[in-house]
Amino acid sequence: NAGVTQTPKFQVLKTGQSMTLQCAQDMNHEYMSWYRQDPGMGLRLIHYSVGAGITDQGEVPNGYNVSRSTTEDFPLRLLSAAPSQTSVYFCASSYSRDREYYNSPLHFGNGTRLTVT
Amino acid sequence: TQLLEQSPQFLSIQEGENLTVYCNSSSVFSSLQWYRQEPGEGPVLLVTVVTGGEVKKLKRLTFQFGDARKDSSLHITAAQPGDTGLYLCSSGSNYQLIWGAGTKLIIKP
Repeated sequence: NAGVTQTPKFQVLKTGQSMTLQCAQDMNHEYMSWYRQDPGMGLRLIHYSVGAGITDQGEVPNGYNVSRSTTEDFPLRLLSAAPSQTSVYFCASSYSRDREYYNSPLHFGNGTRLTVT
Repeated sequence: TQLLEQSPQFLSIQEGENLTVYCNSSSVFSSLQWYRQEPGEGPVLLVTVVTGGEVKKLKRLTFQFGDARKDSSLHITAAQPGDTGLYLCSSGSNYQLIWGAGTKLIIKP
């Protein structure tokens, strides 16, 4: 099982450029999410999806777009990169993420390290 | 908004020593998860605690959930270099999790 696959592993962008971070899972998980991880700040939720065609905002959604056309894929788009978006981005999925979430652990990819100059 | 505070932020000890790290909140947790993250990888779930006063053991790791469900601890007995990593706690509901900033643990051989 590949689990959660993120590409690319590393990326350098110039301010104002756009790009898409890819995330794919092969576990038939309903729930998928994007986080950013910055030193001393823990993981912060950007966007999430509870199924194909359904997305919603997390804690820090500004500057990012998502879509969920299939169960497997959940790409994250940076519309116009800014230095403040320099971070490590993680995609995570789980079988379900209902309101009593503790019965479905998150499975993470290995991250994309993004630098915006 | 619920905040999760982890302490200490950083801990470096010798192999064989015992240690405890903490996760605290000003609000009651619905439940709490502990993850470990190694460099260059995503976090991996260690345990979920749900009931106040609950204790769970995972080999040399002991997880405790406070009676009031506002705090949790992770105790490692006889730490080994393989325990090195970033330990994160998380909690939440309604499809959104919040995370502590983590405890960076280094076990020196």
